[in-house]
Amino acid sequence: DQQVKQNSPSLSVQEGRISILNCDYTNSMFDYFLWYKKYPAEGPTFLISISSIKDKNEDGRFTVFLNKSAKHLSLHIVPSQPGDSAVYFCAATQGGSEKLVFGKGTKLTVNP
Amino acid sequence: NAGVTQTPKFQVLKTGQSMTLQCAQDMNHNSMYWYRQDPGMGLRLIYYSASEGTTDKGEVPNGYNVSRLNKREFSLRLESAAPSQTSVYFCASSEVTLGEQYFGPGTRLTVT
Repeated sequence: DQQVKQNSPSLSVQEGRISILNCDYTNSMFDYFLWYKKYPAEGPTFLISISSIKDKNEDGRFTVFLNKSAKHLSLHIVPSQPGDSAVYFCAATQGGSEKLVFGKGTKLTVNP
Repeated sequence: NAGVTQTPKFQVLKTGQSMTLQCAQDMNHNSMYWYRQDPGMGLRLIYYSASEGTTDKGEVPNGYNVSRLNKREFSLRLESAAPSQTSVYFCASSEVTLGEQYFGPGTRLTVT
């Protein structure tokens, strides 16, 4: 039973355009969400997070939106750059838990 | 600061052999984690340690043991390797429960 779902295995966008990566979750107890970015042969690196008390969090070119009623979050990258090409993982956890639950990832390719 | 280091980077084992994957962090983090990443499966938590001297099972603990040797080091042991344990293993650490996790570069393990 997959609690965090990233239904698009891959996404391709042109440089300078917006990239939108989506994530759905089923566990209503999740109250903290994170996005990680992973390049080949490297470990994941933290990108941005959002608490369930917010519906938006911004950090430079990266914005995460949370829709609690739909149990959906999305990561927007504007403008997209070729260096953004990587696999992006959505993760979720509930208050006080040490455990992160990860989605399967979406491979983003930004074409020059 | 080296961050999170893992040894070895690559390993090939025969079925039934044992080995220990080493992980160390120099960020003085309390929590440490072991994940495995399989194609199309995202990251799955094997074991974690919320503090020195404590360890708990994650989503896929069977076939593994862990030791939190001290605050810096967290090792993962395969007592009798099986082909199903072929995977990329990542160690991570974090300062606080809801904090971002910092990942090591991974160990690519093949069991034949």
